[in-house]
Formats: sequence, C-alpha cells, structure tokens
Amino acid sequence: EDQVTQSPEALRLQEGESSSLNCSYTVSGLRGLFWYRQDPGKGPEFLFTLYSAGEEKEKERLKATLTKKESFLHITAPKPEDSATYLCAVRKYNTDKLIFGTGTRLQVFP
Amino acid sequence: EAGVAQSPRYKIIEKRQSVAFWCNPISGHATLYWYQQILGQGPKLLIQFQNNGVVDDSQLPKDRFSAERLKGVDSTLKIQPAKLEDSAVYLCASSGIRSEQYFGPGTRLTVT
Repeated sequence: EDQVTQSPEALRLQEGESSSLNCSYTVSGLRGLFWYRQDPGKGPEFLFTLYSAGEEKEKERLKATLTKKESFLHITAPKPEDSATYLCAVRKYNTDKLIFGTGTRLQVFP
Repeated sequence: EAGVAQSPRYKIIEKRQSVAFWCNPISGHATLYWYQQILGQGPKLLIQFQNNGVVDDSQLPKDRFSAERLKGVDSTLKIQPAKLEDSAVYLCASSGIRSEQYFGPGTRLTVT
C-alpha cells in the first residue's frame, strides 16, 4: 500500500537552532516528491519538487534532499516566521494524484 | 498572477443539509483538483478534472458528493446530504504544464 510518513509530528526550535524534518515513503514508481508549507487557516504553499535520488533544492533557509526511500527538509538557522506545518507528498507514475503525509508542525521561538 | 480563488471561506450547516463550494483556478491551468483535509491530517484527493473531463474520482463518496467543471474553468463541489464526518477544510488546487499543484485558501466546513 502506498504510504507517506512524516516525523516528527511536532518540533519546537529556538531561533537559530538548525534541524531536519523527515519524510519516508513506500510507493511503487515515484514520479516526484513535493514539499509544501501550510500556515494556519491557509492552503498549502508549494516549496519544492524532487524527482530523483541525490537531487537537492534550496530556498532561503530551506534545503530539500531525496534518497530512494526518504526525503529530508533541512532548516538552517530558523526564524519565527518559519513556524508552520510542513507537508510532504508523493506522486506515482501514470497519475497526477498527490499522496500526502500528515505533516510536521514546526514552532520556532525567539 | 492571481492565485486559486475559493468561496465561501467558512460554512456552518446542520447535518442532512446541502452545501456547495466554488473554485476558480489559476488562469490557463487545465487541471483542477478538489481535496479534503480533516484536522490534523494531510489533504486527500476527492476528484481531479482535466479541462471538462473527470480523470480520477475514485475517492469521492458519490452517494453524497458531486462535482462539476463547466467550460473547463470554474468548478463546484456539492455535498448533499451532509454528515458530521464531512467537517473538514475543502481545498481546490490547479496545475498547468508543470507538475506543481497550487492550492487555494480552502473552505472550512463545520457540520453540526
């Protein structure tokens, strides 16, 4: 069965304290792994797409990496405005449907 | 570039009533999706349209949910009759040539 698991469920960081969020997946025929950010009361905001193992993407303090079984979202020197829920999703071959994990709720304190 | 628009933003109804949600995708995006997001969970696809046609509605509870996309642009999602377990945020997303899906702000539905 296709499955996406994110850990930890919640993460509290001090401002400037770097960390990583994990997204592990079991899906046959991966056609892309997506990271989204979701603020309370808003829709998910697209961050990155990764297609193959070894690929990396960066945006400001965020860096996403992909292996054959998992993806990491590294947050370097986070700021309070990085506080949000980060969602991971996968897409299989021959479909556009995204299968989402339950997200990691990140809180960054000053 | 304007984003995905949805309305209403909030809706409270009693069980067994009906409700409809509206979505206007990003201009030029041929593919439109409706997702259901229950509190504490990730979004779950309900239905996908490619222009006017349905591509995937395998997870749509067809006894109570219906959706249409007339003229390949706007879309409406309807629930009739609503149940308590339908309380959720209903998200509309669209995508163009690239694979990324862009989401609207969602409609928060509370069924009492």
